[in-house]
Amino acid sequence: AQRVTQPEKLLSVFKGAPVELKCNYSYSGSPELFWYVQYSRQRLQLLLRHISRESIKGFTADLNKGETSFHLKKPFAQEEDSAMYYCALKGGGNTPLVFGKGTRLSVIA
Amino acid sequence: GAVVSQHPSWVICKSGTSVKIECRSLDFQATTMFWYRQFPKQSLMLMATSNEGSKATYEQGVEKDKFLINHASLTLSTLTVTSAHPEDSSFYICSVGRDEQFFGPGTRLTVL
Repeated sequence: AQRVTQPEKLLSVFKGAPVELKCNYSYSGSPELFWYVQYSRQRLQLLLRHISRESIKGFTADLNKGETSFHLKKPFAQEEDSAMYYCALKGGGNTPLVFGKGTRLSVIA
Repeated sequence: GAVVSQHPSWVICKSGTSVKIECRSLDFQATTMFWYRQFPKQSLMLMATSNEGSKATYEQGVEKDKFLINHASLTLSTLTVTSAHPEDSSFYICSVGRDEQFFGPGTRLTVL
């Protein structure tokens, strides 16, 4: 069964502190992993995808197939990073995304 | 990336009425569109996969006769909530794309 687990519902950190949002997945095969972000009153938008291996807004995420994890990290949190973050996976082809329950990141000044 | 619009952005209706929500892909030929529902403070749950020119595929537990999907062209899919009830009040979101999904801004439905 396909499943994405984000164990933290809410994560509060101080500005300048490191951030790690956890994501574990269950999938029989080789999924694509994504992080989406939803800022207040805005639509869901792509932050990262594992195959591009980019760093966006200072965030990185490494796919660990052994631990079936795709944790999102940023060394120094900024106030504008406060948002809902969703980890998602996708199978091959034209298949939909399966979302985790999301983690609300709150960066405190 | 693809630009996706939804109309209306917000609708209030009386219990028992039907509401149609449009999802338009403005610059992407979408043979497939996905419809999600998001309850307050919850994640997105896939409702159905809309297929251009053929029947939609519904997720388990989603009533196809209640949530009618029509995907008549490569740029438009509609979701009609029939005989809406207060428990149908939610945020409905569509997405398009192949490898990367692009999301619409969502439609907030409130059923009184």
